[in-house]
Amino acid sequence: KQEVTQIPAALSVPEGENLVLNCSFTDSAIYNLQWFRQDPGKGLTSLLLIQSSQREQTSGRLNASLDKSSGRSTLYIAASQPGDSATYLCAVTSDDYKLSFGAGTTVTVRA
Amino acid sequence: GAGVSQSPRYKVAKRGQDVALRCDPISGHVSLFWYQQALGQGPEFLTYFQNEAQLDKSGLPSDRFFAERPEGSVSTLKIQRTQKEDSAVYLCASAGSYEQYFGPGTRLTVT
Repeated sequence: KQEVTQIPAALSVPEGENLVLNCSFTDSAIYNLQWFRQDPGKGLTSLLLIQSSQREQTSGRLNASLDKSSGRSTLYIAASQPGDSATYLCAVTSDDYKLSFGAGTTVTVRA
Repeated sequence: GAGVSQSPRYKVAKRGQDVALRCDPISGHVSLFWYQQALGQGPEFLTYFQNEAQLDKSGLPSDRFFAERPEGSVSTLKIQRTQKEDSAVYLCASAGSYEQYFGPGTRLTVT
């Protein structure tokens, strides 16, 4: 069974600092990896999707890397803002459909 | 266009009551998923539909949980004889290809 771990569980940084969120997974036979954002009481918003053949994806201030062989992904958020405060979830697809999620990293950006 | 919608957004049930949670996927999306998210955890897969066919129900925690999608569009997750451990957020997602789009979830509290 695929196990996904996210470290750290929580992170607090001053505004303007760069964020580094880590995700590891036990089975490297994945189809893709997604990073999601979840605000309190809300659903999941997809941030980036990396196919297994790709090494990274970028969207604005967000950059996600994937090292499939070592079972790791890192999400970088540049120049953090208070609006970036949320829980960030990593999920992998190990077969055609179902997502396996980590428990998330809760980020607080202090103004 | 409209995203995935779920109703009700909040549901309080007394232990032993039956509940029904509804999901309206994005129009035209073939795949539909249900996930359960306990407090402080990542979502856990419950079940998967392709059109009206339930292809995987391996994540349903007990035979009190039942899901259907009779016309290949709207889906209902039913929980019979609710227990306190059923308290969670139930998330629905739909997909046209490989990327899943999530609804806002239904927060179920069993008292």
